[in-house]
Amino acid sequence: GAGVSQSPSNKVTEKGKDVELRCDPISGHTALYWYRQSLGQGLEFLIYFQGNSAPDKSGLPSDRFSAERTGGSVSTLTIQRTQQEDSAVYLCASSPGTSGITDTQYFGPGTRLTVL
Amino acid sequence: GENVEQHPSTLSVQEGDSAVIKCTYSDSASNYFPWYKQELGKGPQLIIDIRSNVGEKKDQRIAVTLNKTAKHFSLHITETQPEDSAVYFCAALLGGGATNKLIFGTGTLLAVQP
Repeated sequence: GAGVSQSPSNKVTEKGKDVELRCDPISGHTALYWYRQSLGQGLEFLIYFQGNSAPDKSGLPSDRFSAERTGGSVSTLTIQRTQQEDSAVYLCASSPGTSGITDTQYFGPGTRLTVL
Repeated sequence: GENVEQHPSTLSVQEGDSAVIKCTYSDSASNYFPWYKQELGKGPQLIIDIRSNVGEKKDQRIAVTLNKTAKHFSLHITETQPEDSAVYFCAALLGGGATNKLIFGTGTLLAVQP
């Protein structure tokens, strides 16, 4: 079946502009995660959605970052007033949500963001 | 803060040899440790995980060992093949489930030479 999809695959923007990154999770998965992967670094947790519960936003690096998940499915990560240090690959993952954090997380291919 | 250290950062082996990647963690409450494989241009994929109630888990050519006392865990790949070449990440669950955060290591680039 279809896996996690993300769009766009690549995004180049100018410093100061806003960007929106989209994630389509696997159908039926109630949990959704956003991570950031910088060059040569591991994955950095950003935000976690589980069903209708309030999201865990504790990983968002600043108030320029926000995320929404509409209808319990598609999610959008928004970065306002982008900075060069925001350049990274942004990865989305979804999981069934039956075992919480220890569910297998299925990752999308990521969006490579470059801020000039 | 809590962190996971991963070594080595790069590893080159001959096809058929074994590869070992080691990780240490700092949060003594961590009780779940997954390993991910990331191929070029793709997202990470879970290959094996271990929970703190066991010391070793094996799945065909892949095994993971856990030493909770020493707070380290390792990935072992036997009879390596060129298709094993990828970046491997270890991770530890922060707070033993009290949070929803996996803390990832910085990755190991494994190259299997044919």
